[in-house]
Amino acid sequence: AQSVTQPDIHITVSEGASLELRCNYSYGATPYLFWYVQSPGQGLQLLLKYFSGDTLVQGIKGFEAEFKRSQSSFNLRKPSVHWSDAAEYFCAALLDNYGQNFVFGPGTRLSVLP
Amino acid sequence: DAGITQSPRHKVTETGTPVTLRCHQTENHRYMYWYRQDPGHGLRLIHYSYGVKDTDKGEVSDGYSVSRSKTEDFLLTLESATSSQTSVYFCAIRDPGLGQPQHFGDGTRLSIL
Repeated sequence: AQSVTQPDIHITVSEGASLELRCNYSYGATPYLFWYVQSPGQGLQLLLKYFSGDTLVQGIKGFEAEFKRSQSSFNLRKPSVHWSDAAEYFCAALLDNYGQNFVFGPGTRLSVLP
Repeated sequence: DAGITQSPRHKVTETGTPVTLRCHQTENHRYMYWYRQDPGHGLRLIHYSYGVKDTDKGEVSDGYSVSRSKTEDFLLTLESATSSQTSVYFCAIRDPGLGQPQHFGDGTRLSIL
C-alpha cells in the first residue's frame, strides 16, 4: 500500500544540537515530497519540497532535507535547533498530480530542552 | 502565507444539531480539501473539490457533506453532529501545477457535547 512513515513519534533534543527527522515512503515511483511544521493551535506550514533534480533541498527556518531514492527516504535536518522549533513535523507525499493522492505521515513531535 | 480563512475558529454545539464550517480562499486555486486531525490518527481527508460543483469523498466522509458553488468557498456540513465528530478541522488549497503542495488554513476547533 502507498504510505508515508515517520518512525519517531517523539524526539527531544537540546537547544543548539543538530536534528534529523526521518521519513520513508512506499510507492512504486518517486513521488513529490514535502515537509510541513505545525505549531500548537496553528495549521500546517510548508517547510520545503522535493520536486526533482538536486537531492538536497533547502527550506525555510534553516531546514534542509535529503532525498535518497535507494532508501526511499526524505529526512529533514537542521544543524542547530532553536527553542522555537518545538512543534509537530509532518512528511507528505503527492502520488499524482491531480491532488487527491496527497498522503501524510503520522507526524513527529519535537521537544527542545533549554 | 496563502490566503485561506476558516470560520468559525472555535465552535461548541450539541449532538444532533447541524454545523457548517466555511473555508474561504483568495488564491483562486482549483483544488480545495477538508481534513480532520485527531490524536493518534494524524490528518484524515474528509472530502475534496477539484472545481466548482466538483467534489469527491475522502477516507472519512461518512456523516459529512460539502458544497462548492464558487471557486473561493468550500463548505463542510455536519447534517446531524455526533460526539465522534469532535475534532480540529483543516481546510487546504492547492494549485494544480506539477508537484504543487497543499497550503493550510489555521483550523476550526469543533466540540460536540
